[in-house]
Amino acid sequence: QVQLQESGPGLLKPSGTLSLTCAVSGDSISSFNWVSWVRQPPGKGLEWIGEIHHHGSTNYNPSLKSPVTISVDKSKNQFSLRLNSVTAADTAVYYCATSVVAGHFDYWGQGTLVTVSS
Amino acid sequence: DIQMTQSPSSLSASVGDSVTITCRASQSIGSFLNWYQQKPGKAPNLLIYEVSTLQSGVPSRFSGSGFGTDFTLTINSLQPEDFATYYCQQSYNIPFTFGPGTKVDIK
Repeated sequence: QVQLQESGPGLLKPSGTLSLTCAVSGDSISSFNWVSWVRQPPGKGLEWIGEIHHHGSTNYNPSLKSPVTISVDKSKNQFSLRLNSVTAADTAVYYCATSVVAGHFDYWGQGTLVTVSS
Repeated sequence: DIQMTQSPSSLSASVGDSVTITCRASQSIGSFLNWYQQKPGKAPNLLIYEVSTLQSGVPSRFSGSGFGTDFTLTINSLQPEDFATYYCQQSYNIPFTFGPGTKVDIK
């Protein structure tokens, strides 16, 4: 059974850097062609942040105002999200999700709430 | 970006009812349309991908149809566990985008 678990700080100050990790268990990260980050502001809809292929190529959502980096560490079977210069608008539940076929998300983590507040 | 819209934004139904949710894309996306179910406090769950293919384990009362810009999700014989919010999502091009959601609650 594939499981994804997000981890990282739950509270950040404005202008800080959001760093989250998604640990994958139950299968090798290389089994999933793509892994993505998706976020959901409280009470709102879903926004795709970006994705990384297990070979390392990335695609990002150009609509995001904060600079984004997604990376993969195959030796640890995990991938990471980094969002720089965060603002209150980046407050959301952040999910990691896998895609065997690009574009739809088969497995999801439980999500982690990140609050940006001074 | 491709904009996704859904209608209605919410609906009330009873157990046993059939409900249909509509999703529209701002441009043609062929068959690259997926549906998710989300319950409060939980991650979304993939129900249907590429318009009409049920994800493994999803009950057959869920079905999808459409092509191009107009799509529907139908739930036949609504069950108590189906009360949730449903999102469509296009995987035609990047950035992948979601509809605003349709909340299905109990009448």
